[in-house]
Amino acid sequence: SQQGEEDPQALSIQEGENATMNCSYKTSINNLQWYRQNSGRGLVHLILIRSNEREKHSGRLRVTLDTSKKSSSLLITASRAADTASYFCATDASGGSNYKLTFGKGTLLTVNP
Amino acid sequence: GAGVSQSPSNKVTEKGKDVELRCDPISGHTALYWYRQSLGQGLEFLIYFQGNSAPDKSGLPSDRFSAERTGGSVSTLTIQRTQQEDSAVYLCASSLDGGSVDTQYFGPGTRLTVL
Repeated sequence: SQQGEEDPQALSIQEGENATMNCSYKTSINNLQWYRQNSGRGLVHLILIRSNEREKHSGRLRVTLDTSKKSSSLLITASRAADTASYFCATDASGGSNYKLTFGKGTLLTVNP
Repeated sequence: GAGVSQSPSNKVTEKGKDVELRCDPISGHTALYWYRQSLGQGLEFLIYFQGNSAPDKSGLPSDRFSAERTGGSVSTLTIQRTQQEDSAVYLCASSLDGGSVDTQYFGPGTRLTVL
């Protein structure tokens, strides 16, 4: 079963607006990561947040993590057309086999120029 | 430096044929992963190699799937007697030494179509 579930499944915004995507998961984790995928091919790692962190920033990206609700959000500020992609959250399993990432089905973000 | 490379980028095969997919990880990365992404699905973990340790094959969907990693570098994923449900994008990733805090770098994938 999918560990991470993103919502919304699809999001369409205008350039310059902010985009927020959410991820929920089911079991305890060590870390949560967000990846971007363009055109259904290779994934690019965006940001990792550890289970003891609540918020992390990287450029125009802001990630929050609420372990009590087992949820995370990815905020992209001042979006650009080049941000158009699918965004996935990925979680590891705490304990052994923590290299094994479980991905959600992703949010397809379209940024209209 | 060079990233993870995969070949072929696209593969069309007939049902029942065997296929081999290749992954060249980033030089110096000891951990290598295979994932599968089917239409409308997230990425599914298939197999993990770390150094000389026995691979974690727990994600392989059937005994038609196998993978090896020669010399701790290049990896080959083999699918025997392909079925239509094997159609997917197969993604390879590598990381420095495994573990969840280790960033996984993905290749561009191989799109497999089984007719």
